[in-house]
Amino acid sequence: GAVVSQHPSWVICKSGTSVKIECRSLDFQATTMFWYRQFPKQSLMLMATSNEGSKATYEQGVEKDKFLINHASLTLSTLTVTSAHPEDSSFYICSASDRWGKTDTQYFGPGTRLTVL
Amino acid sequence: AQKVTQAQTEISVVEKEDVTLDCVYETRDTTYYLFWYKQPPSGELVFLIRRNSFDEQNEISGRYSWNFQKSTSSFNFTITASQVVDSAVYFCALRGIIQGAQKLVFGQGTRLTINP
Repeated sequence: GAVVSQHPSWVICKSGTSVKIECRSLDFQATTMFWYRQFPKQSLMLMATSNEGSKATYEQGVEKDKFLINHASLTLSTLTVTSAHPEDSSFYICSASDRWGKTDTQYFGPGTRLTVL
Repeated sequence: AQKVTQAQTEISVVEKEDVTLDCVYETRDTTYYLFWYKQPPSGELVFLIRRNSFDEQNEISGRYSWNFQKSTSSFNFTITASQVVDSAVYFCALRGIIQGAQKLVFGQGTRLTINP
């Protein structure tokens, strides 16, 4: 149980284009999903917390107009990197906790490696 | 503020050796949760354990064991008889109940290499 998927697993795009990453909880309902960014050999940096049906809460320093997050259902959240630039290249990871966070555990997706040329 | 410190950036041991990964945390919350995650080269974070702040019992799961000591704010992780498949980056994380709600605060990670 507690499986989280991400799609795509990797993406290469040209500078200026937008990229959408999907995060799905496959066998549980996720009221809360989280988006992280990880640079090589570094820890995870929380970008935003997304609650189903409401606006995402962004961490300080994260541009909300650049990283659009939508959590339209209890099993799906999307992260759209708008007008991507090479500095946006990174490993993006989502996680999900179950309805009302009862498990108090975040389960992570496999990550999406974004390369912007 | 909440903080997790994993002082060991990299550890390298020979297979079958025991290895302990250290984790020290700071929080003002009286109730909190501690976690360990494993990140193999594939990149996916694998949940290993969750420990509540009011439960100081040590836990053993196969070759893995965890030592939670509230008095020293530490939650150390030991792998006994290490294997090459244990090679990964291991993250310790903290989640407070009041401060930061559901946010996980991660340590910097310890890269563990098990050599054959």
